Amino acid sequence: QSALTQPRSVSGSPGQSVTIPCTTTSSDVGGYNYVSWYQVHPGKAPKLIIYDVTERPSGVPYRFSGSKSGNTASLTISGLQAEDEADYYCCSHAGANIWMFGGGTKVTVL
Amino acid sequence: EVQLVESGGGLVKPGGSLRLSCAGYGFTFYKAWMTWVRQAPGKGLEWVGRIKNKNEGATTDYAAPVKGRFIISRDDSKDMMYLQMNSLKTEDTAVYYCATETTSFEYWGQGALVTVSS
Repeated sequence: QSALTQPRSVSGSPGQSVTIPCTTTSSDVGGYNYVSWYQVHPGKAPKLIIYDVTERPSGVPYRFSGSKSGNTASLTISGLQAEDEADYYCCSHAGANIWMFGGGTKVTVL
Repeated sequence: EVQLVESGGGLVKPGGSLRLSCAGYGFTFYKAWMTWVRQAPGKGLEWVGRIKNKNEGATTDYAAPVKGRFIISRDDSKDMMYLQMNSLKTEDTAVYYCATETTSFEYWGQGALVTVSS
């Protein structure tokens, strides 16, 4: 079981906002600012959409945003679009030179 | 344009070995930390391990499930990284991705499928 906990699924209608929490009981998320988020469409390679908790790589739409409070990092998709339907994974530096991924959240656009 | 291309995937029997390769294009490969991530069928992403650049000793780190069985290496003269997988288990069946690593995994390859089955 992943030490980074995400809900299995979230859903929303086009134009709505959805937020995906990534929670840990340990210090791996709370103690580091190296939290990133990845979008994975079926059969495709993962795509970085948020790094360093809140930063957005060039070319990633503004509707994707990241935040962190205590031991919970979150990804918010504002103004949900059909192409946002995908799996989303959080990732955190977990100390001892290793990384850890969350279990993944399936976003469904209704 | 940055591009990563994995190769070497295939079918192998439990207990067997396989070597994956990752070729890097469009960036200064020798400066990069490189990492491997895998995704088993129907499962989530799992970090496998990394190799730092030569300036930092080209040291390696591995996730617990593969430590002692997998070896990551690099050949900067060829802009290549390798994943030597030994004592393979059925649970190692996955698509293996190579990626560049900084404080996140910015660039990814298209993945190589490894199937461990008798």
